[in-house]
Amino acid sequence: DTGVSQNPRHKITKRGQNVTFRCDPISEHNRLYWYRQTLGQGPEFLTYFQNEAQLEKSRLLSDRFSAERPKGSFSTLEIQRTEQGDSAMYLCASTQPRGDNTGELFFGEGSRLTVL
Amino acid sequence: GEDVEQSLFLSVREGDSSVINCTYTDSSSTYLYWYKQEPGAGLQLLTYIFSNMDMKQDQRLTVLLNKKDKHLSLRIADTQTGDSAIYFCAERDMRFGAGTRLTVKP
Repeated sequence: DTGVSQNPRHKITKRGQNVTFRCDPISEHNRLYWYRQTLGQGPEFLTYFQNEAQLEKSRLLSDRFSAERPKGSFSTLEIQRTEQGDSAMYLCASTQPRGDNTGELFFGEGSRLTVL
Repeated sequence: GEDVEQSLFLSVREGDSSVINCTYTDSSSTYLYWYKQEPGAGLQLLTYIFSNMDMKQDQRLTVLLNKKDKHLSLRIADTQTGDSAIYFCAERDMRFGAGTRLTVKP
């Protein structure tokens, strides 16, 4: 499977616990995005990386959220002290922006978080 | 996404044409995209248009771009029940609209 891989696919946690999601992008892709999607909404941009550098982070993202991409390959998204409002699908996508391509995003199947 | 707006629902009969509309704010977008999300599945790129084009046709899909009004539309000809999905418009910085849920009735 050479697509974008996310795990775990589903995480159920109690309020106040920390959770971490992992994303393995397509191997040659240097740009990686994290989104959050709730029911009936479009993907909400959280942050993105160019290689290991985190280039942009949404103003809406609280300091309980942190993302890393230490070696420019896989990425982790950690949510500390989870709240019920954090319940959502967390989507990862990767792309290889070049002058000769469209920058199409390739999405993983997402990690669904349920905070009780 | 606050920068990309779409109507939320569209219902059509099988065989009719569907038109899904989107307005965006980033006039520097080099490409504009339509993604499709089927129930229980991830988002996949459906089609895209380069910003120096007004129209792009790809089989049953026609994308129209009005840069002056920052308006993008997706027309699906001869809509089939398999086209039932949520369609998202996205601009250069990968900001997405809320999605238009297309329901195709037999």
